[in-house]
Amino acid sequence: KAGVTQTPRYLIKTRGQQVTLSCSPISGHRSVSWYQQTPGQGLQFLFEYFSETQRNKGNFPGRFSGRQFSNSRSEMNVSTLELGDSALYLCASSGRENTEQYFGPGTRLTVT
Amino acid sequence: GEDVEQSLFLSVREGDSSVINCTYTDSSSTYLYWYKQEPGAGLQLLTYIFSNMDMKQDQRLTVLLNKKDKHLSLRIADTQTGDSAIYFCAESPYNTDKLIFGTGTRLQVFP
Repeated sequence: KAGVTQTPRYLIKTRGQQVTLSCSPISGHRSVSWYQQTPGQGLQFLFEYFSETQRNKGNFPGRFSGRQFSNSRSEMNVSTLELGDSALYLCASSGRENTEQYFGPGTRLTVT
Repeated sequence: GEDVEQSLFLSVREGDSSVINCTYTDSSSTYLYWYKQEPGAGLQLLTYIFSNMDMKQDQRLTVLLNKKDKHLSLRIADTQTGDSAIYFCAESPYNTDKLIFGTGTRLQVFP
């Protein structure tokens, strides 16, 4: 079974631009969660989607948004990028029992 | 409140056992996890324990849970250089898939 895939792996953007990151969960998994990892703040929960519905949301500004498609693939979008948005963005998927969350390799976003 | 704490560094000799500790605050957490992160990589799920268990063993890994003290530990037997990485514990509050991560413990294994 293929693991969680994330595209692109690396991205460089300029302040004020917007960015879209993509995540394909493990086949059969319907829950997708997103996390931001920075040296200063560590790993922080962004949001979680299940069957195209956002179930939980972390404490991030409205510039951070996401969605999930009918095939369980998920995208997250960050608008009006700030330098502080530079981070590793990780996506995780989990199956029916929602017990085990498997992470993708991440997308490293650099904002200049 | 939601807070998971870990010590920042641990250094052990190859072949010894490593013990990484974690304390959490949410007593409603149903599952507690250990993840491993190597440089430039995502998070690898190592093991997890249900909150009504005291111990779980999986090959070289032993997880101990003291629910009264909200203390979780991961013991790695016969530590190898390939075990050098950052280890994160995480809790999953009741009825949510959200994971609350600790700060991570950097394990360094020297020959």
